[in-house]
Amino acid sequence: EAQVTQNPRYLITVTGKKLTVTCSQNMNHEYMSWYRQDPGLGLRQIYYSMNVEVTDKGDVPEGYKVSRKEKRNFPLILESPSPNQTSLYFCASSQLLTASNTEAFFGQGTRLTVV
Amino acid sequence: AQSVSQHNHHVILSEAASLELGCNYSYGGTVNLFWYVQYPGQHLQLLLKYFSGDPLVKGIKGFEAEFIKSKFSFNLRKPSVQWSDTAEYFCAVKTRSGGSYIPTFGRGTSLIVHP
Repeated sequence: EAQVTQNPRYLITVTGKKLTVTCSQNMNHEYMSWYRQDPGLGLRQIYYSMNVEVTDKGDVPEGYKVSRKEKRNFPLILESPSPNQTSLYFCASSQLLTASNTEAFFGQGTRLTVV
Repeated sequence: AQSVSQHNHHVILSEAASLELGCNYSYGGTVNLFWYVQYPGQHLQLLLKYFSGDPLVKGIKGFEAEFIKSKFSFNLRKPSVQWSDTAEYFCAVKTRSGGSYIPTFGRGTSLIVHP
């Protein structure tokens, strides 16, 4: 089954404690992206990757890091989380090079609370 | 850079009312257009998509959207909404950048349908 898998689904952590949210897709998609969703602000892109070892900043990259060492994985790293990073995070993947009309697939979301 | 605008941030309707959600994009080249739906507590799922042919596209659950190239618009419509349509709706565009097709999302529109 085609899917994007995020872990964990829920996470409560303390300010400053490094954390990683994993994202994995099984569709051999080139493009992967992280978004945060906040009430009233909609979906905002954090980082994206167009292929292995190719990453770029989205609209709100401050406080986040990503890596793309393998095509299927795109972890989101918060080196020193702060309360303003409390949010709902979504990972998405999409074909990029071979098919323009294919949709993006989203993970189930990770609800992060930083206290 | 391309952008996607959803003008209605919050829409409140009664059951059986008609729905139209606006979506405009800024890109002069070939585009592929998508609407996604996010039901409460769930991830984004594809509602419908357009990439060529008939500009009136029919999707799941009675939704449809019309691509008007001259207006750079792809508005979502439903003749008669139901309580179960309460959700967040996202418009997205896939545009060509170099040899790749990059997806860009709008901020989303929150729809509440009262029974």
